[in-house]
Amino acid sequence: DAKTTQPTSMDCAEGRAANLPCNHSTISGNEYVYWYRQIHSQGPQYIIHGLKNNETNEMASLIITEDRKSSTLILPHATLRDTAVYYCIVGGKLIFGQGTELSVKP
Amino acid sequence: GAVVSQHPSRVICKSGTSVKIECRSLDFQATTMFWYRQFPKKSLMLMATSNEGSKATYEQGVEKDKFLINHASLTLSTLTVTSAHPEDSSFYICSASLFAGGYRSYNEQFFGPGTRLTVL
Repeated sequence: DAKTTQPTSMDCAEGRAANLPCNHSTISGNEYVYWYRQIHSQGPQYIIHGLKNNETNEMASLIITEDRKSSTLILPHATLRDTAVYYCIVGGKLIFGQGTELSVKP
Repeated sequence: GAVVSQHPSRVICKSGTSVKIECRSLDFQATTMFWYRQFPKKSLMLMATSNEGSKATYEQGVEKDKFLINHASLTLSTLTVTSAHPEDSSFYICSASLFAGGYRSYNEQFFGPGTRLTVL
């Protein structure tokens, strides 16, 4: 399974869009990109996944570059409850990296 | 969405005892379940993958005799930490998947709330 690289931490102002990048340059053609988040002391929560096309659901949007080597998770209007660690995972076996600790500030 | 529960949510035990953690998929049948361990301020570490009716596949470095996994039905998997020691204290999380294996295909996993184990 491909490895991912994410920034360790990010800050975002409440109400603004949070854009979380992820590099996955070794991704294979049929590997999906998944995003999960984990709020402190809880189990991870599924956010979104995609293969080639951009995806949007009620939680977020996922933008995947044309060469599929990177992606961006967008939380359009971040709230304080979106403060969490966000994990970008590639492949069918969910191997978690260190993720990005997003802090949404008032 | 699909719901996964874990029981107990917290457990404190004495060193040398065994602890069983249950993971249940409440509204779907999970062909595959996964067990993770998470230490404070660290990421989740995959311990093992279990398919209903067959032996679990353990990740490298995880002792299969220490962490016994049973997946007897499509809705229940159990993790037993045998002869627990303080270094086994951790946050144990299970997840359940609707699809069997399929490492190269869409594989959405639903996670339980976790079990915090403290070994004294």
